Amino acid sequence: DVKVTQSSRYLVKRTGEKVFLECVQDMDHENMFWYRQDPGLGLRLIYFSYDVKMKEKGDIPEGYSVSREKKERFSLILESASTNQTSMYLCASSSGTGGFNEKLFFGSGTQLSVL
Amino acid sequence: QKEVEQNSGPLSVPEGAIASLNCTYSDRVSQSFFWYRQYSGKSPELIMSIYSNGDKEDGRFTAQLNKASQYVSLLIRDSQPSDSATYLCAVNPFGTSYDKVIFGPGTSLSVIP
Repeated sequence: DVKVTQSSRYLVKRTGEKVFLECVQDMDHENMFWYRQDPGLGLRLIYFSYDVKMKEKGDIPEGYSVSREKKERFSLILESASTNQTSMYLCASSSGTGGFNEKLFFGSGTQLSVL
Repeated sequence: QKEVEQNSGPLSVPEGAIASLNCTYSDRVSQSFFWYRQYSGKSPELIMSIYSNGDKEDGRFTAQLNKASQYVSLLIRDSQPSDSATYLCAVNPFGTSYDKVIFGPGTSLSVIP
């Protein structure tokens, strides 16, 4: 089975801190994604990557950046954390070989609280 | 603006009943449609995908797609308490990057024993 591992389950940070969320997948998937999930809003795409060093903005990229130096690892960076970035962050991956019919595999999520 | 909407919950059904979950989408030329299930405190997992008009059955689950009406639904027959979860509808719009699905807000389902 595909395993998508997020480095932290819970994280508490202070306003203005730089925050790194790490995600690793073990199935050689081409595509990786970062979503945030908030009550009543569903999952919203922040950034995605379809290849090493390649990235594209999702629907809500403001205040975030990403890094993909190796195929298996996709990092989400909050340059200066703010309270409105308190949320559940979900990483996902897909193989990238199936066109529009791809299944997303999700990590277990990181609940980030910014105080 | 591409949007995916789901019927507001929470939805409660008695054990053994049929649960009906509905989803509408705004992008007329969307290609792929998915239903993910998310248990409380867990991450989403794919349970059904559908690409053509009509019904697709998998065990107790049936996905129905009507592209003309821009409508996709999920029926759960013989609902069990273990089906209690939030169900997320996801749509892959035409012309976007592969796998850039858009999720609806989810419908919470509670199956009462």
